[in-house]
Amino acid sequence: GAVVSQHPSRVICKSGTSVKIECRSLDFQATTMFWYRQFPKQSLMLMATSNEGSKATYEQGVEKDKFLINHASLTLSTLTVTSAHPEDSSFYICSARDLGAPATIYFGEGSWLTVV
Amino acid sequence: AQSVSQHNHHVILSEAASLELGCNYSYGGTVNLFWYVQYPGQHLQLLLKYFSGDPLVKGIKGFEAEFIKSKFSFNLRKPSVQWSDTAEYFCAVNAPYGGSQGNLIFGKGTKLSVKP
Repeated sequence: GAVVSQHPSRVICKSGTSVKIECRSLDFQATTMFWYRQFPKQSLMLMATSNEGSKATYEQGVEKDKFLINHASLTLSTLTVTSAHPEDSSFYICSARDLGAPATIYFGEGSWLTVV
Repeated sequence: AQSVSQHNHHVILSEAASLELGCNYSYGGTVNLFWYVQYPGQHLQLLLKYFSGDPLVKGIKGFEAEFIKSKFSFNLRKPSVQWSDTAEYFCAVNAPYGGSQGNLIFGKGTKLSVKP
């Protein structure tokens, strides 16, 4: 079945550095990908909707310059956390909509970010 | 490894019919449980969640779910569906102290189509 791969699954970075998380659709094309984060004991919070070839749509309260999203191809979207701070430590997960079956959504396995 | 099973891929109901969507997970320890809904073209929205306490959880829009630990189940119910409930429903499990390093694991989703 369709697979969405997220990489890295775990990353530790120093405060002030930037880190990139990739979300790939492995055997389907995805025009739309969603990026979420989850704090401990909380539900998912949508950060942004990423559309291939255009600018991402960010949710209210999400800093565009801090969480850079690029969706350069139909199989890859990236989330870059710039100038990371400890409060950015979280679980980030993406989902991708199958272009060939628009009502079908697949989830990545998530990426744990720890900023020290 | 942990997994989440949603038994029905596509459910078709008439308005006012009762709904029950199955969700089973495989992990014997402490879990947090979620049901999310994704309406066509939109992002995930949280319907309800269970962390602890009363195993019968009430959510938004008249949905409820019951956690049955002995059955490793967290089925979603609604007594009377409406056409506006047409969407895809995802069950998700997080084991904060155990396997998969606390990742949020999603089921493959159940599409609900409600006929007016």
